[in-house]
Amino acid sequence: DAGVTQSPTHLIKTRGQQVTLRCSPKSGHDTVSWYQQALGQGPQFIFQYYEEEERQRGNFPDRFSGHQYPNYSSELNVNALLLGDSALYLCASSLPSYGNTIYFGEGSWLTVV
Amino acid sequence: KQEVTQIPAALSVPEGENLVLNCSFTDSAIYNLQWFRQDPGKGLTSLLLIQSSQREQTSGRLNASLDKSSGRSTLYIAASQPGDSATYLCAVLRGKLIFGQGTTLQVKP
Repeated sequence: DAGVTQSPTHLIKTRGQQVTLRCSPKSGHDTVSWYQQALGQGPQFIFQYYEEEERQRGNFPDRFSGHQYPNYSSELNVNALLLGDSALYLCASSLPSYGNTIYFGEGSWLTVV
Repeated sequence: KQEVTQIPAALSVPEGENLVLNCSFTDSAIYNLQWFRQDPGKGLTSLLLIQSSQREQTSGRLNASLDKSSGRSTLYIAASQPGDSATYLCAVLRGKLIFGQGTTLQVKP
């Protein structure tokens, strides 16, 4: 049973560029959330997708957008990259009810130069 | 606004010790609390999930407790091993996961 898979694992972008990160949820999971983790900090919630709709959103600017496909995979897009966007981006998957364990992928390391 | 705090930020112990990691949260209206492990440069591995109606959960050498009324959770690790060295994160779920900043544990041989 494959867990949560993310790609790419590492990438370097230049300020002002755009980036797309991808996530495939754990088998059977239909809810995908994205988190940003800066070095030495706990992860911060970006947004959550369920049934291809953004269900809730954290305190991130509109430069951060996402998408969920019918097969439940998801993308995180960040436009107009800033140096401060450098972080580990984590994808999490779960079933929609709140009593279930949430599983995380290995993350995508983004460096903005 | 929910805030999650973990104390201590770092901990170094000799192999074989039993230890306790602490997590506190300000709003008791949570669905559940989850403990995670994070190895350097890696993603999060779920260790234990405690539902809001439960008091504790156990998995092997790990035991997590939850006291919603006081806004506290503890993760107890028995007979620590060098392989337990990692950062341990607690997170409360209220629609989304809200994380503490983690406790970095080093277990010395």
